[in-house]
Amino acid sequence: AQSVSQHNHHVILSEAASLELGCNYSYGGTVNLFWYVQYPGQHLQLLLKYFSGDPLVKGIKGFEAEFIKSKFSFNLRKPSVQWSDTAEYFCAVNEGSGGGADGLTFGKGTHLIIQP
Amino acid sequence: DGGITQSPKYLFRKEGQNVTLSCEQNLNHDAMYWYRQDPGQGLRLIYYSQIVNDFQKGDIAEGYSVSREKKESFPLTVTSAQKNPTAFYLCASSVLPRGPESYNEQFFGPGTRLTVL
Repeated sequence: AQSVSQHNHHVILSEAASLELGCNYSYGGTVNLFWYVQYPGQHLQLLLKYFSGDPLVKGIKGFEAEFIKSKFSFNLRKPSVQWSDTAEYFCAVNEGSGGGADGLTFGKGTHLIIQP
Repeated sequence: DGGITQSPKYLFRKEGQNVTLSCEQNLNHDAMYWYRQDPGQGLRLIYYSQIVNDFQKGDIAEGYSVSREKKESFPLTVTSAQKNPTAFYLCASSVLPRGPESYNEQFFGPGTRLTVL
């Protein structure tokens, strides 16, 4: 079975600081990788995704993530965070061979707080 | 507006009662999913369905049941056999991948917070 590890459960940063949230997964085959964000009181929404190709993917709101296959990692980054980035962030994975219609495996989430 | 609706937003039930959570989508998606979210635990897959009248167990299906009689609807029943039912329940949907090397983005509903007293 797959598993996803997010290294930091709680992160507190000041505005304009750089952000990196770690994500590692256990599956050794082809994977699809996702970062979802849950802003306070809002639906879970997709930040970015990786399926194949360029391992550096860009998402919404200035976020990006890098897939490093040798490290089984898909870390999320943002060069300068804003107060509005305060949210819960989830890394998720599914097996690429199955086409991904059989559900996602999520990490436990990182609660990010940005202080003005 | 296209999207996923879940009702109710908050639900309270007495211990030992079954309860059914609603999920409806008008995105014309074939696949639908139910997840459970607990604080500090992330989301865990309960059941999923790729086609009408068919569904599969996820990682934590015990104590839950589903049906998929219509493409648009995927209700979840939390039965009295579920030992710890108090949680936030999220429904999602997606298109089916078009081939072995495609992927699906899942779209999520607003969730239902179930509290069992």
